[in-house]
Amino acid sequence: GAVVSQHPSRVICKSGTSVKIECRSLDFQATTMFWYRQFPKKSLMLMATSNEGSKATYEQGVEKDKFLINHASLTLSTLTVTSAHPEDSSFYICSASILAGRYNEQFFGPGTRLTVL
Amino acid sequence: AQSVTQLGSHVSVSEGALVLLRCNYSSSVPPYLFWYVQYPNQGLQLLLKYTTGATLVKGINGFEAEFKKSETSFHLTKPSAHMSDAAEYFCAVNFNKFYFGSGTKLNVKP
Repeated sequence: GAVVSQHPSRVICKSGTSVKIECRSLDFQATTMFWYRQFPKKSLMLMATSNEGSKATYEQGVEKDKFLINHASLTLSTLTVTSAHPEDSSFYICSASILAGRYNEQFFGPGTRLTVL
Repeated sequence: AQSVTQLGSHVSVSEGALVLLRCNYSSSVPPYLFWYVQYPNQGLQLLLKYTTGATLVKGINGFEAEFKKSETSFHLTKPSAHMSDAAEYFCAVNFNKFYFGSGTKLNVKP
């Protein structure tokens, strides 16, 4: 149980185009979904937190107009990288969480490797 | 405020040797602590977690960690390293969201 999928697993795009990444909780309904970015040889950086039906909460320094997050249902969140540039190339990981007592039990997706040419 | 420090960005051990990956945390509230493993180009897999109860926590693949409040530590250990343990390991503390350490890359030599 508690499987999270991401699609696509890899995407290569040209500079200036937009890319959408989907994150789905396959066998549970997630109260909250998180989007992370991971730079090479670095830790995960939280980009934003999203709850179904409401606007995402972005971390400081993350451009909300560039990284659009839509949380359409309790099992689906999407991250759209708009007008992508080479510096947006990175590994993007989502997680879906269930409230377990006083903390969020998070389940991570397998990640999406974005390469912008 | 919550934060996590992992000492040693790279750790190298011989196959069969003890694995010790260090994690110290700071938290203004009782912490929930996690260890994750990441293989290349993959997401994070939960190894083990401490929420409440027994301070020695056993996880998958023979790993365990001990929560020591007095030392604000949650070090990860495994008695005997296997080649398949080579990966990146992340310690994390959770309150409303996760705060990850910078990661430790474990290399296992034959």
